[in-house]
Amino acid sequence: EPEVTQTPSHQVTQMGQEVILRCVPISNHLYFYWYRQILGQKVEFLVSFYNNEISEKSEIFDDQFSVERPDGSNFTLKIRSTKLEDSAMYFCASSEDVNTEAFFGQGTRLTVV
Amino acid sequence: GEDVEQSLFLSVREGDSSVINCTYTDSSSTYLYWYKQEPGAGLQLLTYIFSNMDMKQDQRLTVLLNKKDKHLSLRIADTQTGDSAIYFCAPRGPSGGYQKVTFGTGTKLQVIP
Repeated sequence: EPEVTQTPSHQVTQMGQEVILRCVPISNHLYFYWYRQILGQKVEFLVSFYNNEISEKSEIFDDQFSVERPDGSNFTLKIRSTKLEDSAMYFCASSEDVNTEAFFGQGTRLTVV
Repeated sequence: GEDVEQSLFLSVREGDSSVINCTYTDSSSTYLYWYKQEPGAGLQLLTYIFSNMDMKQDQRLTVLLNKKDKHLSLRIADTQTGDSAIYFCAPRGPSGGYQKVTFGTGTKLQVIP
């Protein structure tokens, strides 16, 4: 069964460093998303991406965040200068269409120290 | 924006039925999803219901939707220990953009053998 894969599963980084979280969406999907879940809190929407541009973003997705689809398969989330409060599980998701269900990856646990 | 509330914890005995409840605020939500998250794992789509339906049954799972009260429930028949996980109610709808899914707080289901 096709699945969304994320790498790495766990990333530890120092405060102020840049991190790139990687995702390979399901191959025929056209819509891509990033969500995050701070430990013990809700899963929060960050951004959606379609046709090589951001289609929607939340207030959390400020200038320190960016997304990119550098080639035909990867979808990345970059955090420019990490803060302690960026520590969370980051989930990538993809969907075939805007109205179909989103399939989630296993997540990348980001720990900022 | 959409606000989604769930009770935080539910404990049931193996073999009993579990009912997880959810209330949401956006009456124009189009799809309402249930996701399951096992410890340390990603988000697994369990089932979903379209907003023009009242009920959907999928093997041991029954989803009930009361649009008037903006209330969604997930019933798991013959609950097994493998059903122990956190269950997220997640409406998707126009007020947050068609592409945005808003997650509830999650209900932790504990199944007692």
